[in-house]
Amino acid sequence: SAVISQKPSRDICQRGTSLTIQCQVDSQVTMMFWYRQQPGQSLTLIATANQGSEATYESGFVIDKFPISRPNLTFSTLTVSNMSPEDSSIYLCSVAGGASGRYEQYFGPGTRLTVT
Amino acid sequence: KNQVEQSPQSLIILEGKNCTLQCNYTVSPFSNLRWYKQDTGRGPVSLTIMTFSENTKSNGRYTATLDADTKQSSLHITASQLSDSASYICVVSAGAGGTSYGKLTFGQGTILTVHP
Repeated sequence: SAVISQKPSRDICQRGTSLTIQCQVDSQVTMMFWYRQQPGQSLTLIATANQGSEATYESGFVIDKFPISRPNLTFSTLTVSNMSPEDSSIYLCSVAGGASGRYEQYFGPGTRLTVT
Repeated sequence: KNQVEQSPQSLIILEGKNCTLQCNYTVSPFSNLRWYKQDTGRGPVSLTIMTFSENTKSNGRYTATLDADTKQSSLHITASQLSDSASYICVVSAGAGGTSYGKLTFGQGTILTVHP
């Protein structure tokens, strides 16, 4: 199994500022993802973090708002830019591994962001 | 549109009792179905993964069933413990072969509370 750590675990930020969330995995992984979980909601995929190339964003999410870096196979960052209260959510890093039809997907502990 | 619906939204049971959570899905093409447990303030943790050909999978006191014909799944918890209090999320993976990574459709979750 993959062990995922995220920093910070939580933060309270002011409107208009930016926050960068770090994700560190204890082993090299090919597939790495960023999810958002809004209060009382389930998880929504923001983007797939690609090593060595630009992230692949899902509908409704754009690079200017959520820039992502993936410098190597064990690390990624997600930046939440120009924050508004609507960005208050839990942001989770996730990795996948194994045979594609039955792969394991692991989630980090999440970063709880509150925007005031 | 791919959808996963869970019922009930919340459930309260007494310690030691059994319970069953339901999941209905409309996801195509179907790859696999997973049940995750998410403790408050933590990331989801995988309980079971079932592919099309599997109709039952157990993990300790957790038993998941899958009926691919009716597109329904259930998670049965036996002899509940206080530590079972969490959100249980049904997740269906779409896609075939290598395209299935990360293409997960999440249910809203069932919040289970176990009282002593």
